[in-house]
Amino acid sequence: AQTVTQSQPEMSVQEAETVTLSCTYDTSESNYYLFWYKQPPSRQMILVIRQEAYKQQNATENRFSVNFQKAAKSFSLKISDSQLGDTAMYFCAFMKPGGTSYGKLTFGQGTILTVHP
Amino acid sequence: GAGVSQSPRYKVAKRGQDVALRCDPISGHVSLFWYQQALGQGPEFLTYFQNEAQLDKSGLPSDRFFAERPEGSVSTLKIQRTQQEDSAVYLCASSSGGDEQFFGPGTRLTVL
Repeated sequence: AQTVTQSQPEMSVQEAETVTLSCTYDTSESNYYLFWYKQPPSRQMILVIRQEAYKQQNATENRFSVNFQKAAKSFSLKISDSQLGDTAMYFCAFMKPGGTSYGKLTFGQGTILTVHP
Repeated sequence: GAGVSQSPRYKVAKRGQDVALRCDPISGHVSLFWYQQALGQGPEFLTYFQNEAQLDKSGLPSDRFFAERPEGSVSTLKIQRTQQEDSAVYLCASSSGGDEQFFGPGTRLTVL
């Protein structure tokens, strides 16, 4: 079974600054996907960024980028130029593709990020 | 286009009552997932449908939980004889079969 661990229950950052959220995972699989999801106070979960394990290049989406260290089983999220709208709970998630449970996500415990003006 | 919708958004039940939670996935999405999210925690997988077939129900916590998707579209999660530990947000997500899941707003269930 896979596990995902987010060791930072809460983080805060000043507007326009950069913040990094940490995530580690445990798996015996060689092929998998990793995700960061954002859950604002309204609760609708939104995909922020995804990374395929077979790709060595770190994914980027505008102000969001990841540092994927496969050997260390680490997957951190960097948010640059933080904005007030980035305030949310962030979840790291793991997915093993294939089989009858294709798409089943395993989530970490979440990190509450607060962006201060 | 419309996203995933869930109803009701809030449900209060007395202990022992049965509840039914509805999920309307994005039209055409073959995959549908239910997750349970306790307060301040990450979502936990409950069950998975591919069209009308329930292919994985390994996350259902007890036989009081039952899910169905009879026509491969709308899904209902039913909880019988609700207990206080069932209080949580129940999230539904759908997917076209790729790696991205689209989540609904959730149903917050409170069992008194």
